[in-house]
Amino acid sequence: DGGITQSPKYLFRKEGQNVTLSCEQNLNHDAMYWYRQDPGQGLRLIYYSQIVNDFQKGDIAEGYSVSREKKESFPLTVTSAQKNPTAFYLCATGPENSYEQYFGPGTRLTVT
Amino acid sequence: GQNIDQPTEMTATEGAIVQINCTYQTSGFNGLFWYQQHAGEAPTFLSYNVLDGLEEKGRFSSFLSRSKGYSYLLLKELQMKDSASYLCAAVSGGSYIPTFGRGTSLIVHP
Repeated sequence: DGGITQSPKYLFRKEGQNVTLSCEQNLNHDAMYWYRQDPGQGLRLIYYSQIVNDFQKGDIAEGYSVSREKKESFPLTVTSAQKNPTAFYLCATGPENSYEQYFGPGTRLTVT
Repeated sequence: GQNIDQPTEMTATEGAIVQINCTYQTSGFNGLFWYQQHAGEAPTFLSYNVLDGLEEKGRFSSFLSRSKGYSYLLLKELQMKDSASYLCAAVSGGSYIPTFGRGTSLIVHP
């Protein structure tokens, strides 16, 4: 069954801890993206990757890090340097050089 | 940079028609997306307009005017399940990554 998955659905962490959000896809897409969504806001791009072992900063990359060691996986680490980490995080994937994006179900991160 | 503007919230009655507007200011505009997003869920694709005009898909239609930097999403025969946030997103320049507006929260009441 093809698709894109994110786990867990809800994540709770204490302030000062790093946390890694999972994103996996078996659609054989080259491009993967991480967005952040705050209440009443649109999606803001954190990082994206067009190919394995390469990734680019988006509009709000500070306090985040990513890796793209495998085509299927694009984990996002929210570091303690991120001042306001509580948000809804969405991962998306799409074919290379295409406008199509397919979103995962999202992870709601709460940091207290 | 890009600027995308849409109303924050709209309300409508079940069975009615509602039009959600989106204006954009971008350089090198390529096309415009509409997504539907229910609370706590991922956005789902509704439409992608590149050319001027109206595209109809069942109860939902999307319109684009490139010269005016304007689009709208038209929802007919509203149902309670249409209560959701509707995101407008534009792609421009050489990028394949859309820039999203803040979304319009549509509340459908009986």
